[in-house]
Amino acid sequence: ETGVTQSPTHLIKTRGQQVTLRCSSQSGHNTVSWYQQALGQGPQFIFQYYREEENGRGNFPPRFSGLQFPNYSSELNVNALELDDSALYLCASSPGTGSYTFGSGTRLTVV
Amino acid sequence: DQQVKQNSPSLSVQEGRISILNCDYTNSMFDYFLWYKKYPAEGPTFLISISSIKDKNEDGRFTVFLNKSAKHLSLHIVPSQPGDSAVYFCAASRFNNAGNMLTFGGGTRLMVKP
Repeated sequence: ETGVTQSPTHLIKTRGQQVTLRCSSQSGHNTVSWYQQALGQGPQFIFQYYREEENGRGNFPPRFSGLQFPNYSSELNVNALELDDSALYLCASSPGTGSYTFGSGTRLTVV
Repeated sequence: DQQVKQNSPSLSVQEGRISILNCDYTNSMFDYFLWYKKYPAEGPTFLISISSIKDKNEDGRFTVFLNKSAKHLSLHIVPSQPGDSAVYFCAASRFNNAGNMLTFGGGTRLMVKP
């Protein structure tokens, strides 16, 4: 059983809308990262939070934003959704040791 | 600019034989490498890792080899089992004090035939 849970598991949104994806990390995991996995590709790093501060960002526009909370939960927000945002969004947490525990992901479909 | 590449999108192996999955990287600053396995409808599951100070790490049926001069790593699974059938991702990172960010390859789908 994974220690990282994500909600919802599936979501359908209309182009231009906003979406919030949620992640609950394992207790003690002070680092959380979000990844986007398009069909047939490997996960792409979106950003990382460490102790509630963003401390790294991949090649994603500012309409992708996030929050990390003291209770080890976090959010990924995407504004002005585009068709190409359709993907599996993965949350991963780490206690800072170098390896990450991934959640099962949220499958977002933008129509 | 793909910094981590898995050039074989798929691999088919007979049960009991060895599976060898390959990965190449371009960024010489990477100092930590990981392999993840992913089943459909699940998130990636950590398998095994290796630090750049080593050239081999073994865990049961899984062994990862790192050739820094060639910027190449491989995952060996022996003996392969049908339950190993999944997509395998190679990932690399450069560790810093705030943690490491993973750069993934595109994955290799392994099929182990009974």
